[in-house]
Amino acid sequence: GQQVMQIPQYQHVQEGEDFTTYCNSSTTLSNIQWYKQRPGGHPVFLIQLVKSGEVKKQKRLTFQFGEAKKNSSLHITATQTTDVGTYFCAGPGGAGSYQLTFGKGTKLSVIP
Amino acid sequence: DVKVTQSSRYLVKRTGEKVFLECVQDMDHENMFWYRQDPGLGLRLIYFSYDVKMKEKGDIPEGYSVSREKKERFSLILESASTNQTSMYLCASIWTSGYNEQFFGPGTRLTVL
Repeated sequence: GQQVMQIPQYQHVQEGEDFTTYCNSSTTLSNIQWYKQRPGGHPVFLIQLVKSGEVKKQKRLTFQFGEAKKNSSLHITATQTTDVGTYFCAGPGGAGSYQLTFGKGTKLSVIP
Repeated sequence: DVKVTQSSRYLVKRTGEKVFLECVQDMDHENMFWYRQDPGLGLRLIYFSYDVKMKEKGDIPEGYSVSREKKERFSLILESASTNQTSMYLCASIWTSGYNEQFFGPGTRLTVL
C-alpha cells in the first residue's frame, strides 16, 4: 500500500531558528495535506496542496509540493514557542476515497 | 464551526472488558474515521465508515469493531480489551466534496490494565 515517509522524527531548535520537515510518498499524490498537533491536543488541518510545484504561505509557514507530486515540505521561518507540536503530512489513501495515509510526524521542540 | 466530540477524554479499563468509544459530529459528514495514535507510529487507521451501517477496515482492524447506526455517531468497540490496546484514540470526520480536510475530535486516552 501507499506509504508516506516523514523526516526528521524529532527536531529541537533554538527560538528564532528555521525549521523544515520533509514528506515523501512511494506513489504520486493527487494532493497532500499538512496538520499540526499541539501537545495534548488533536491534529488540526493547516493546508492542502494540489498542483505540481505549488507553494503556499501562511505567515511564517511555507508549504511546497514537489514537481513530481511525490514529496512535500513545510518550512517555518524564525520559530516561536507557539510553533511547538507535531507536524504531520497526509496523502489520499486510495483512488476515490477520503482516507488519508499519514506520515509519522515530526515533533518540533523550540528552546526559548 | 465543525464539532467532533468523543465520549471520554480519559478511560481506564481492565483486560478482558468490553469497551465502547463514542464519537459524534454535528456537521452532517458522511465519512467518519477511527485512528489510534502511538509514539513513533503516528496515526494509524483502524476503521472508517462512508455511510450509515457501512464500514471498511483500515490498516489495523484486528481486535476492534465499529458501529454506525446514525449518521452523526460512529462507535469503536473493543470486544475484549488487551494491554496492547492502551493508546490514544482519535475520531475524525470529513466533508464528501471540496476540501478533504479531516476534522478531529479531542481524543480518548485509553489505558488497559
